[in-house]
Amino acid sequence: EIVLTQSPGTLSLSPGERATLSCRASQSVSSSYLAWYQQKPGQAPRLLIYGASSRATGIPDRFSGSGSGTDFTLTISRLEPEDFAVYYCQQYGSSPLMYTFGQGTKLEIK
Amino acid sequence: QVQLQESGPGLVKPSQTLSLTCTVSGGSISSGGYYWSWIRQHPGKGLEWIGYIYYSGSTYYNPSLKSRVTISVDTSKNQFSLKLSSVTAADTAVYYCARLNPDTAMVIDPWGQGTLVTVSS
Repeated sequence: EIVLTQSPGTLSLSPGERATLSCRASQSVSSSYLAWYQQKPGQAPRLLIYGASSRATGIPDRFSGSGSGTDFTLTISRLEPEDFAVYYCQQYGSSPLMYTFGQGTKLEIK
Repeated sequence: QVQLQESGPGLVKPSQTLSLTCTVSGGSISSGGYYWSWIRQHPGKGLEWIGYIYYSGSTYYNPSLKSRVTISVDTSKNQFSLKLSSVTAADTAVYYCARLNPDTAMVIDPWGQGTLVTVSS
């Protein structure tokens, strides 16, 4: 079973700054099946990025994803107040067939 | 725009069966093309995938929960359901239903708002 490890656990930044969130897989993952979600308190997660680098519908272009193999990154170029939330990476694997989530990175206002 | 809404008891006794229903609006389960899933989140913790179903009834479950999980679909009501048997306090969580899109590598989108289920006597 693939394990996704996100770092850092908590990231403290100010609005306007750049955020870089990491997701590392215990073994190689198909980029096609790597996604990122944003979750705010009391809300369901929201899809941000799929296929490692494609933005979902309606997602601002300050959000970008990159990476391949075992290392993936979510970058928020200039933080807006509404971006402070928890971010999860997720992979969909075929052997075994299942979804795996990282433990999350909390992005908090400094 | 497709929307999903979970419903069911918020409190379940230990050893009993947790039962939840997800009602889909804005789209038809029977039209095919998508899978329908349950995901849970323990309080203050991360996300755990439970399983998914296709409109035809084909299912796939998380191996760690497979022995206790049943997901079914009722296309006439545009609903799908989750049953989790022999629950314990460890099954206390927010349960989400969601749609999976095979055209975008099975991403989870959209999600229902979630419903908290507490297992307690």
